[in-house]
Formats: sequence, C-alpha cells, structure tokens
Amino acid sequence: SQTIHQWPATLVQPVGSPLSLECTVEGTSNPNLYWYRQAAGRGLQLLFYSVGIGQISSEVPQNLSASRPQDRQFILSSKKLLLSDSGFYLCAWRGSDYSPLHFGNGTRLTVT
Amino acid sequence: QKEVEQDPGPLSVPEGAIVSLNCTYSNSAFQYFMWYRQYSRKGPELLMYTYSSGNKEDGRFTAQVDKSSKYISLFIRDSQPSDSATYLCAMSWRNNAGNMLTFGGGTRLMVKP
Repeated sequence: SQTIHQWPATLVQPVGSPLSLECTVEGTSNPNLYWYRQAAGRGLQLLFYSVGIGQISSEVPQNLSASRPQDRQFILSSKKLLLSDSGFYLCAWRGSDYSPLHFGNGTRLTVT
Repeated sequence: QKEVEQDPGPLSVPEGAIVSLNCTYSNSAFQYFMWYRQYSRKGPELLMYTYSSGNKEDGRFTAQVDKSSKYISLFIRDSQPSDSATYLCAMSWRNNAGNMLTFGGGTRLMVKP
C-alpha cells in the first residue's frame, strides 16, 4: 500500500532563517505531488504541484519554492522566512489526474 | 462568489444523530467529488470519492451528488464523538494544465456524548 511521510511535524523558526520541509511517498511510482498551506480557520491553498522529476508549477508567487529531486520526493524551501509564512503545510499525492488526493500529516510552522 | 461554498459551522449534534454536511458549487465543469475528514493538527483523510450523480454508501457514510443542482452532501448515520472533526468537500475539474482540485473551506462538526 502507498504511504506518505512528511517531516518535521512541528517547526519554530526565526524570521529570516531558511526553511526545508520534506515529503516522500512510498508504494507508487511517478505520483503527482502537491504542497498546500492551511491557515488557521481557512481553507487549503495550493502552493506548488509537480507531475514529474524537475517539473514544478507554482500557483501562488511568494517567498517559497519547491523542488522534486527524485520521483517520490518533494521539498518545500525558503531562503528567508517571513512572519506571514506561518501556517500548516501539507504534502499530498495522487496516482493520476483522476485519482483523489492523499495527504500527509502536515508540518505546523511558526515563524517568530 | 467562491467556486465552492461550505458552511463553516460549527455544527453541534448529539451522539447517534444523523448528520448532513453540504457543499454547493458554481462551476458546472466539476467532474469528481470528494469528502475529507480532518482531525485537529492532522492532514485531511479521504472519506468518499465519487464521479456520478446519485448516492454512494460506505458504512455509516453516504455521499450524495446532484449535478443538476450543483449540490453535494455527506450524511453520517449514528454519529459518534469520534466523528468530531472538520469535513472538507473537494471537486476536480479539467483545464489545459490537467485535472485541478478546488476545496471548500470545511465544516467543523462536534458530536456530543
């Protein structure tokens, strides 16, 4: 069966520090991968998605970037965090365009 | 107007009640419909996935889609305190970039013992 791993679960970082969140999927090949952000009491905001290695589409221009160095690995990064980057970050995958999304357990990021 | 409207709640019901959660949408291009359950500080968990109009049942959960009215529902029978969570609807549609997903804002459900 397929599983998705996302870490760390919680992170507290000072303003201006770098960020790296990692997500890996097991049990499938060539998944579509996604990064979402969920602000408190608000819906899911799509940040990036990838349909293959090195292929990244950005939905929201901002302080973050994403990379997919391997088929089942998706990384969310920032060179300098802002206070507004605080939130709950979720990685997700699906096998094809017609499959539902499956989410990881998220990373709660607090920028201080 | 948002593409997907979902009452944020909270919806409070007694244990054993039948719960009805709803989403309305405006984009007639939506093809696939999903319901997710999200516990506090966890990622959303897929509950139901359906394509066609009509009902789909899985245990205590029934998903209903009415494409003509642009309305979907999730019914929970014999609700339990463990059903207390936020429920998100999601809809999939296709554009030149592929199949995109749009989420509702979520309804917070509280089932009281």
